[in-house]
Amino acid sequence: DVKVTQSSRYLVKRTGEKVFLECVQDMDHENMFWYRQDPGLGLRLIYFSYDVKMKEKGDIPEGYSVSREKKERFSLILESASTNQTSMYLCASRGLRAEAFFGQGTRLTVV
Amino acid sequence: SQQGEEDPQALSIQEGENATMNCSYKTSINNLQWYRQNSGRGLVHLILIRSNEREKHSGRLRVTLDTSKKSSSLLITASRAADTASYFCEISGGYQKVTFGIGTKLQVIP
Repeated sequence: DVKVTQSSRYLVKRTGEKVFLECVQDMDHENMFWYRQDPGLGLRLIYFSYDVKMKEKGDIPEGYSVSREKKERFSLILESASTNQTSMYLCASRGLRAEAFFGQGTRLTVV
Repeated sequence: SQQGEEDPQALSIQEGENATMNCSYKTSINNLQWYRQNSGRGLVHLILIRSNEREKHSGRLRVTLDTSKKSSSLLITASRAADTASYFCEISGGYQKVTFGIGTKLQVIP
């Protein structure tokens, strides 16, 4: 009954590496989101997409980019990973019903 | 961006007690939703209340909405250790953006 799947639960990358976080949803939702979550800061929106090939900046887009080539897949890209991007990353999707569905999260450590 | 603010930030209660957490917001809304997050996991949707509703129930959950005060509360009755989690409200005002506050961290002590 998995609806939103993130490619990795845990990831360790080196500073300067290019990192791809993948998210796939099987609910045919138009809207998809990427957040990062840090202690004391809650969930902060990085980017979102409301259609294929469309993207909008969230509240903290710096250092990140995204790709949405297919409706079901939304990728978050760290062009050159830095230690301050160590965080929990959460992907979500939402259709017309307004309820958001989340993936299980990816805990990324940049060393 | 429009987001709710949860209060208190942390709450610790004994099993069997009721837990109440609140959400305040600043602008008009279409609906308000509550989510739960178990440690290290994604968020799970609990309940949605529309702007024209005042109260909604789902099992041991009771949500109220006061649009005049721009606030909502989530009540968990007869709490269990399994209710230990963080709880978030989400404000939907017709925006495509979906944003969250810091959440309320609930600890239920067995």
